[in-house]
Amino acid sequence: SQTIHQWPATLVQPVGSPLSLECTVEGTSNPNLYWYRQAAGRGLQLLFYSVGIGQISSEVPQNLSASRPQDRQFILSSKKLLLSDSGFYLCAWSKGQGAGEAFFGQGTRLTVV
Amino acid sequence: GEDVEQSLFLSVREGDSSVINCTYTDSSSTYLYWYKQEPGAGLQLLTYIFSNMDMKQDQRLTVLLNKKDKHLSLRIADTQTGDSAIYFCAESRGPDSWGKLQFGAGTQVVVTP
Repeated sequence: SQTIHQWPATLVQPVGSPLSLECTVEGTSNPNLYWYRQAAGRGLQLLFYSVGIGQISSEVPQNLSASRPQDRQFILSSKKLLLSDSGFYLCAWSKGQGAGEAFFGQGTRLTVV
Repeated sequence: GEDVEQSLFLSVREGDSSVINCTYTDSSSTYLYWYKQEPGAGLQLLTYIFSNMDMKQDQRLTVLLNKKDKHLSLRIADTQTGDSAIYFCAESRGPDSWGKLQFGAGTQVVVTP
């Protein structure tokens, strides 16, 4: 069966510091991968998606970037965090076919102070 | 405004049925999904329905879709305290959008004994 791992679970970082969140998927190959952000009391906003190694599409302009160095690895990064980057970040994968449903990791709670 | 709208809160007594409603705006939506989020956790896919269906039943869950009115509902029969969570409605707009979901803001469901 497929599993998705995301870490760390919580992170407190000062403004201006760098960020690296990592996500890996097991049990499938060539998944579509996604980074979503959930602001407090809001739904999820898609930040980035990837259909293959090195292929990244950004949905919204922002202070963050994403990379996919391996087939089942997706990384969310920032060079300098802003207060507004605080939120709950969720990685997800999809088969890219069938019902197109997305399966989510457990999320990372990021607080920028 | 939001493409997908949900009421923010629902209180229900244990053993009763819960009905969570959702409206969406895009007529090109192909799949519609219901996700459950427990505190501090990621999103769990509960069920989904293809846009050419009117109803889908899966154990205690019943999804109704009124495509004409762009209205989606999730009914939970015999609601239990473990059903307390935030429920998200989401839509996908076709093969190019697999996994790129548009989410509502979520409905907080509180089950009281």
